Amino acid sequence: AQSVTQLDSQVPVFEEAPVELRCNYSSSVSVYLFWYVQYPNQGLQLLLKYLSGSTLVESINGFEAEFNKSQTSFHLRKPSVHISDTAEYFCAVTPSGGYNKLIFGAGTRLAVHP
Amino acid sequence: GAVVSQHPSRVICKSGTSVKIECRSLDFQATTMFWYRQFPKQSLMLMATSNEGSKATYEQGVEKDKFLINHASLTLSTLTVTSAHPEDSSFYICSAWDRGGYEQYFGPGTRLTVT
Repeated sequence: AQSVTQLDSQVPVFEEAPVELRCNYSSSVSVYLFWYVQYPNQGLQLLLKYLSGSTLVESINGFEAEFNKSQTSFHLRKPSVHISDTAEYFCAVTPSGGYNKLIFGAGTRLAVHP
Repeated sequence: GAVVSQHPSRVICKSGTSVKIECRSLDFQATTMFWYRQFPKQSLMLMATSNEGSKATYEQGVEKDKFLINHASLTLSTLTVTSAHPEDSSFYICSAWDRGGYEQYFGPGTRLTVT
């Protein structure tokens, strides 16, 4: 079975500051990893995913995440945040190679202040 | 990218009545869809996996007779909350894998309020 731990329930940060949202996972098999963002009263949107290959993955809006197998982590980072980045961020894992259910972390609320 | 829609977006019903929520994959076929429940300021809790043409697989603790799932076609899954009670009030979200891009797409969610 897999599990995901998001270490911070809330992360307050000022606009244009860097941010890191932490995600650790546990699994006995190889996994695929995802970060999703949820704005209020909306569904989830994929930010980025790691399936294989380069361990550093990037999104089109400036976020990046690095898969670290030895530390079983997939932390999300952005060098300079905007007010519009305020949202809930979820890390998720699924066993690699199939189309199985996603296991979600508890979520991290990113609050960007002016 | 692929789109998953849900209908309705909001529904208010009286206690004891049943409510049906639809989940559609608009531009891809989905043999498998997932139904989640989300309480305020909490993560998504998987309720069941919906399989086209066969019975749904429910997560432990989810009442099969209360949350009826039907996946009659490759683009439509429905969740029916039967004999709804106020504690069933929640945000229900569906999702489906787009196998071409290996991405799970989520619907916009349905806010159910039982009075």
